[in-house]
Amino acid sequence: GQNIDQPTEMTATEGAIVQINCTYQTSGFNGLFWYQQHAGEAPTFLSYNVLDGLEEKGRFSSFLSRSKGYSYLLLKELQMKDSASYLCAVRDEYGNKLVFGAGTILRVKS
Amino acid sequence: DAEITQSPRHKITETGRQVTLACHQTWNHNNMFWYRQDLGHGLRLIHYSYGVQDTNKGEVSDGYSVSRSNTEDLPLTLESAASSQTSVYFCASSAGTGEGNQPQHFGDGTRLSIL
Repeated sequence: GQNIDQPTEMTATEGAIVQINCTYQTSGFNGLFWYQQHAGEAPTFLSYNVLDGLEEKGRFSSFLSRSKGYSYLLLKELQMKDSASYLCAVRDEYGNKLVFGAGTILRVKS
Repeated sequence: DAEITQSPRHKITETGRQVTLACHQTWNHNNMFWYRQDLGHGLRLIHYSYGVQDTNKGEVSDGYSVSRSNTEDLPLTLESAASSQTSVYFCASSAGTGEGNQPQHFGDGTRLSIL
């Protein structure tokens, strides 16, 4: 089976840096994805990690440690529009299925 | 531009009725998925398909069925709607065979209320 844990909610200030953690326990692993979901909208793809280390994409970075079953999403220079839910998802080793965590609601305040 | 569309966007129905939600993608993706999203549970997989005539049960498949007669469409049917199936339903598609950076792309969702 697969178990994915994320904090339920986080609050941060505009312009700051925030780190959203994700821990997973899975029977297999073939990549980890982060998605952003604004209220009432569809999830949109942010980042992908399959090897250990940091992947940087503009203001967003994602880190993976496979030995620790741990990932984080780092958001820099926070903007009000970053207020959203952030979903961590692990792909299984057999195909394209994703198992999602419950998501972390990020609130950015001015 | 290629896209994935769901219809209807909103639906209200009564318990016991059969309901079908449509999902259509123009990316020519082999892989298609149906999820439901409820508060506190995140996205949970209902059914998925890796190609024409292929369908598989996901984590929460009871009371739901799908069929894949072509590459573009994966309709989701609720055989006899129950109030517990009130939820937001998302369809997604992806390319490839599970290797590399091939994310799932999501439709805009269908909000289904069963009274």
